[in-house]
Amino acid sequence: AQSVTQPDIHITVSEGASLELRCNYSYGATPYLFWYVQSPGQGLQLLLKYFSGDTLVQGIKGFEAEFKRSQSSFNLRKPSVHWSDAAEYFCAGTNDYKLSFGAGTTVTVRA
Amino acid sequence: DAGVTQSPTHLIKTRGQHVTLRCSPISGHKSVSWYQQVLGQGPQFIFQYYEKEERGRGNFPDRFSARQFPNYSSELNVNALLLGDSALYLCASSGVSGTGELFFGEGSRLTVL
Repeated sequence: AQSVTQPDIHITVSEGASLELRCNYSYGATPYLFWYVQSPGQGLQLLLKYFSGDTLVQGIKGFEAEFKRSQSSFNLRKPSVHWSDAAEYFCAGTNDYKLSFGAGTTVTVRA
Repeated sequence: DAGVTQSPTHLIKTRGQHVTLRCSPISGHKSVSWYQQVLGQGPQFIFQYYEKEERGRGNFPDRFSARQFPNYSSELNVNALLLGDSALYLCASSGVSGTGELFFGEGSRLTVL
């Protein structure tokens, strides 16, 4: 079955420290991959997307993600976390018209 | 430019009732998708409509139905509400069907008592 898995339910990081969120995918062919962020009580905001080409993708808010075909991964990174980055992050994939989301990773930022 | 707008933002219903949720896509977008997000989980695909035709349906019972109007706005209807239907219902629009790049609204929070 086509799916996206986020192994980490919750991550706590200090402000100013680096952040990496893991995402693994299981698709027959390389899917389109996305990272979304959701603040409490709000909808989803697209951080970045991978369709093809360069495997290192830059997004908004200083985030980047690296597509690794050999590891079936699409991990999200940020070099220095700000308190406003506290939110829930979702990895999603598709090779047709519907997105499959991971269960999400909640990021807590401590001062 | 206005993003995806959904109404109502919050509503409370009782078991057995019916609910209608509404969505207006980004201007120029012809595709609308609906997702259900239960607390603590990722969104689950319910429907996609493109050019007023249903393109796909997720694993949801027939109590869930939707339609898209000539102006590309959409309604999601849920009949015979169950407690388990309590969730955030997200609408998303896209300009080109099939790319998967969706733009989400803020959602409609449904509570079933």
